[in-house]
Amino acid sequence: DAGVIQSPRHEVTEMGQEVTLRCKPISGHNSLFWYRQTMMRGLELLIYFNNNVPIDDSGMPEDRFSAKMPNASFSTLKIQPSEPRDSAVYFCASSFAVTIEAFFGQGTRLTVV
Amino acid sequence: QKEVEQDPGPLSVPEGAIVSLNCTYSNSAFQYFMWYRQYSRKGPELLMYTYSSGNKEDGRFTAQVDKSSKYISLFIRDSQPSDSATYLCAGGIQGAQKLVFGQGTRLTINP
Repeated sequence: DAGVIQSPRHEVTEMGQEVTLRCKPISGHNSLFWYRQTMMRGLELLIYFNNNVPIDDSGMPEDRFSAKMPNASFSTLKIQPSEPRDSAVYFCASSFAVTIEAFFGQGTRLTVV
Repeated sequence: QKEVEQDPGPLSVPEGAIVSLNCTYSNSAFQYFMWYRQYSRKGPELLMYTYSSGNKEDGRFTAQVDKSSKYISLFIRDSQPSDSATYLCAGGIQGAQKLVFGQGTRLTINP
């Protein structure tokens, strides 16, 4: 298995632009997580899905952030409009619903200038 | 107060030393405790996990949980330069599938 696949690996965008991050979970996993990692705040859970349904989005910082999971093999995290303080590494992770072990992708390094 | 607190370091030790990495947590409902290792510019990968209190050993690594004091530890024996990474502790509740991570401790093993 190729593991969790995220794209793009790097994204540089201007303030105010829309940014879309993509994730393909491990086949057969039915839980998907979006995390954000910064030096100051560490690794923070933004939102997670179970069987494509959002379960907990309490970590989403504000309405500029939205996430979707249209099917079991694809999810997006969108930021519109982007701001410099959104600069971070965004990780997607997936797991089986019956376990707590999460497998992480390589991350998307987002820079908003 | 963060649910999981971890000293971000950095921590630098000579090769062969015993390393002790520690976290404290505040959520009494946590049942699972995980240690993830993250190499530079990579995603975290699961190193070890324990359920409830006690010790778990895997090669040079030992994970320890003391629920009475809400303290989580990871010990690395005979540390190697390849162990240089950021180590993240996390707590979770069975059935909730949501892990809460510490900030991570950046560890460097010097040859």
